[in-house]
Amino acid sequence: KNEVEQSPQNLTAQEGEFITINCSYSVGISALHWLQQHPGGGIVSLFMLSSGKKKHGRLIATINIQEKHSSLHITASHPRDSAVYICAVLPNTGNQFYFGTGTSLTVIP
Amino acid sequence: DAGITQSPRHKVTETGTPVTLRCHQTENHRYMYWYRQDPGHGLRLIHYSYGVKDTDKGEVSDGYSVSRSKTEDFLLTLESATSSQTSVYFCAIGRSQETQYFGPGTRLLVL
Repeated sequence: KNEVEQSPQNLTAQEGEFITINCSYSVGISALHWLQQHPGGGIVSLFMLSSGKKKHGRLIATINIQEKHSSLHITASHPRDSAVYICAVLPNTGNQFYFGTGTSLTVIP
Repeated sequence: DAGITQSPRHKVTETGTPVTLRCHQTENHRYMYWYRQDPGHGLRLIHYSYGVKDTDKGEVSDGYSVSRSKTEDFLLTLESATSSQTSVYFCAIGRSQETQYFGPGTRLLVL
């Protein structure tokens, strides 16, 4: 049973568009990661969140602990943003991460 | 990038043969993890380690064993590989339970 749900599963956007990817989870957590995986490539952690909001360049991540929901926003999207974005949560009571199945983003020039 | 390498990066093997994958880190991180990534399932934890000789099972540990005899190396062994173990295997390390840095991955094909 996957405790982490992401939406949408697939997303195609025109270059320059504002993009939002959502992550919902069912348990209390101590940390949430947003990961990026390029085709055939490795996995990189973009953000680690436990509350509030973080920003890095054109990427913004927010988390609402009460609603058990996080969003990843990409402003002024670019073809190099094309990748799979994965949400991962560490439950309060657990010692392992649980991962969403990912959102595949394609940004068209 | 965190200093984490995996070897081999690609492997083709036959059903029933033993296979060992190696994860090596130069960061002196306490936690090390082995995951497998399969279409439709996302990343799933196989085993993890919270210190030298301290390991525990993840959600998909059947058919796999691990060893960690020193801080920098975490070995994943498939005692008798099966076709269902064809996957991409990722190692990850963390200074704390909340952090995760991933290795480049190993593609394993079991024929």
